[in-house]
Amino acid sequence: KAGVTQTPRYLIKTRGQQVTLSCSPISGHRSVSWYQQTPGQGLQFLFEYFSETQRNKGNFPGRFSGRQFSNSRSEMNVSTLELGDSALYLCASSYGQSSTYGYTFGSGTRLTVV
Amino acid sequence: EDQVTQSPEALRLQEGESSSLNCSYTVSGLRGLFWYRQDPGKGPEFLFTLYSAGEEKEKERLKATLTKKESFLHITAPKPEDSATYLCAVRSGGGADGLTFGKGTHLIIQP
Repeated sequence: KAGVTQTPRYLIKTRGQQVTLSCSPISGHRSVSWYQQTPGQGLQFLFEYFSETQRNKGNFPGRFSGRQFSNSRSEMNVSTLELGDSALYLCASSYGQSSTYGYTFGSGTRLTVV
Repeated sequence: EDQVTQSPEALRLQEGESSSLNCSYTVSGLRGLFWYRQDPGKGPEFLFTLYSAGEEKEKERLKATLTKKESFLHITAPKPEDSATYLCAVRSGGGADGLTFGKGTHLIIQP
């Protein structure tokens, strides 16, 4: 059974640019969450989508946005990149919204802003 | 606001030397406490979910326990392949704000 797939694995962008990251969840999983991981702050919740609707949002500026498609695949976008946006961005999928279901993480996209 | 504190930040053990990792939490209505293992360059790998005080779960050399204020991850007779960062996370209330993670414990098992 295929796991959570994130593309690309690595990305280098220039300050001020925008970037789009992609996540394909495990087949049958309808919930997709996004997290930012940095050495200083650890893992921080960005947002969660279920059935194409954003259900929860973390404490990040509006430059961070996302969407989910009808096939449950999700994308997140960061506009006007800042140096502090350099991080590992992780996607997690789950069958449902309840914590009864486990969350499976992908390997992440390593974003470097220069 | 939910908070998760893990200790110690780092732990170095000899192969076979058992120990415990701690995860203290404050949350309004626990809906699940999660333990993950993360290897360098990879995403977190799910280990356990605990839901109520007194609950215990085991997997190979790992055993997770839960009280009303903290969780422990006990590692019995660890092997070098158990070296990783162990992350604890909680989900509260109606599930708002996703998972709240601790900073993790970096565990090194020396042969």
